[in-house]
Amino acid sequence: KAGVTQTPRYLIKTRGQQVTLSCSPISGHRSVSWYQQTPGQGLQFLFEYFSETQRNKGNFPGRFSGRQFSNSRSEMNVSTLELGDSALYLCASSLNGMNTEAFFGQGTRLTVV
Amino acid sequence: GDSVTQMEGPVTLSEEAFLTINCTYTATGYPSLFWYVQYPGEGLQLLLKATKADDKGSNKGFEATYRKETTSFHLEKGSVQVSDSAVYFCALGGRGSTLGRLYFGRGTQLTVWP
Repeated sequence: KAGVTQTPRYLIKTRGQQVTLSCSPISGHRSVSWYQQTPGQGLQFLFEYFSETQRNKGNFPGRFSGRQFSNSRSEMNVSTLELGDSALYLCASSLNGMNTEAFFGQGTRLTVV
Repeated sequence: GDSVTQMEGPVTLSEEAFLTINCTYTATGYPSLFWYVQYPGEGLQLLLKATKADDKGSNKGFEATYRKETTSFHLEKGSVQVSDSAVYFCALGGRGSTLGRLYFGRGTQLTVWP
């Protein structure tokens, strides 16, 4: 079966702009979570969605937001980009998020200049 | 709160050497524990998991045992290969109010030389 698909793979944005990243989970998976990966901070949890509802949120400013659609596809948005937002953004999907396997996409590499 | 502490690298080994990467966790109850691997330019792949105390997860020659008494989940492999070079992450699965979230260690870079 198809894996988790993240688009685009690479993005270059200017400080102050906004960006939207997309994640298509594995068919049948209803939980989608997002992580930010940087060399300095490692993997940091952004938020998790289950059946279109945000179930958990990490400690990120309100500039970071997300949503999930009825087909379980998810998007995350970052507004007013800062240089420090440059990172690899990873999406993971699982059946229901209850200690089951989480499958990760290849990530979107965002560079803010 | 829940957290994972992982041995930081880098770890450099010769092919066929024995590998241990230490991981300890802080949590109440019995969370599920995972090891993920990340190859250059890729996302994370689940390597193995254990869902209760004394469970042993294994895959591709890697093993880890869920030790409640020492709150540990150390990763081991008897004979590493060059193709095992990657970054390894220990993770803990959230429960209750943190359901759906994974808590990751900082990652351990492993390099295996031929």
